Amino acid sequence: TQLLEQSPQFLSIQEGENLTVYCNSSSVFSSLQWYRQEPGEGPVLLVTVVTGGEVKKLKRLTFQFGDARKDSSLHITAAQPGDTGLYLCAGERAGNNRKLIWGLGTSLAVNP
Amino acid sequence: DTGVSQDPRHKITKRGQNVTFRCDPISEHNRLYWYRQTLGQGPEFLTYFQNEAQLEKSRLLSDRFSAERPKGSFSTLEIQRTEQGDSAMYLCASGPGQGETQYFGPGTRLLVL
Repeated sequence: TQLLEQSPQFLSIQEGENLTVYCNSSSVFSSLQWYRQEPGEGPVLLVTVVTGGEVKKLKRLTFQFGDARKDSSLHITAAQPGDTGLYLCAGERAGNNRKLIWGLGTSLAVNP
Repeated sequence: DTGVSQDPRHKITKRGQNVTFRCDPISEHNRLYWYRQTLGQGPEFLTYFQNEAQLEKSRLLSDRFSAERPKGSFSTLEIQRTEQGDSAMYLCASGPGQGETQYFGPGTRLLVL
């Protein structure tokens, strides 16, 4: 059973388009993180959200944590080829010995 | 602060051989994690250290796998009698004492022939 469901699994879009990636769970998380990973490299942390309803912006990326802290979304405005990569969400469950629960990732390709 | 480093970056070995990977976490980070990742998938948790203590091991970690962090700084992951199914990217991450933010190294890509 996958505790964190990411959708879509794959996404191929043209430069300049907008997109949203979703991360959903039936479990409550004390925090949730988004990472971006390029081929052959380790994941790089983009943002951590901890408060229900929280919205954080990182240039053209907007992250939202659901009010119930069970889901999150990542919205990219005017996507660029440099945004291409694997986007991973990971959540920390309260009392879970500091172990993150990982989604399977969304593989994004932005075509010029 | 040079970030998390891993060595080697790539390893090709023959089935049945033993391999050892090293991870140097961000200095002063007391938490260290090992993950395994296959192509197109998210990281799978293997094991976790708080300082030198190994606090949790995944059921994925068979008895052929062993990890150590003897002085609470760098860590090693050893795989004995490698199998083709062990081929994957092995990622190390470290984290500070508060919160759950983890910072990843570049990974060691293992190919077992």
